[in-house]
Amino acid sequence: EAQVTQNPRYLITVTGKKLTVTCSQNMNHEYMSWYRQDPGLGLRQIYYSMNVEVTDKGDVPEGYKVSRKEKRNFPLILESPSPNQTSLYFCASNEGGADTEAFFGQGTRLTVV
Amino acid sequence: GQNIDQPTEMTATEGAIVQINCTYQTSGFNGLFWYQQHAGEAPTFLSYNVLDGLEEKGRFSSFLSRSKGYSYLLLKELQMKDSASYLCAVDTGTASKLTFGTGTRLQVTL
Repeated sequence: EAQVTQNPRYLITVTGKKLTVTCSQNMNHEYMSWYRQDPGLGLRQIYYSMNVEVTDKGDVPEGYKVSRKEKRNFPLILESPSPNQTSLYFCASNEGGADTEAFFGQGTRLTVV
Repeated sequence: GQNIDQPTEMTATEGAIVQINCTYQTSGFNGLFWYQQHAGEAPTFLSYNVLDGLEEKGRFSSFLSRSKGYSYLLLKELQMKDSASYLCAVDTGTASKLTFGTGTRLQVTL
């Protein structure tokens, strides 16, 4: 089954404790991206990757890091989480670029206390 | 900057037709998407318009006017399961970025 898998689905952590949210897709897609979704603000792009070892900032990259060492994986790293990073996070992959259909993971609800 | 506007909430009756509007002002335009998102779930693709006109797909249709910076999603024969948020998103063509509106929450009532 074609899918994008994120882990964990839910996470509560403390300020400053490094964490990684994993994202993996099995569709051999080149383009992957991370979004956060907040009430009243909609989905906002954090980072995206057009291929292995090619990443770039989206609209809200501050406080986040990503890597793309393999085509299928695109982890999101929070080196020092803060409460304002409490949000619902989605990973997505596209066969082509941003002008193609995005397939989203099931989301990770992160709470930073 | 990029600006995409949608109504925050709409209510419609089962069996009726509803039109959800989206207006955009972006630095570039490479196509417009509509996604459906049920509460607590991931967004799923509904439609993509890059040329002016109407695209029909079953009960759902999407219209685009690039000169007016305007799109709408038309849902016919509404069903209770259509209660969800509908997200308008523009590919601005700038470094492959996709910019989303804040979404329209549609409630379908009996």
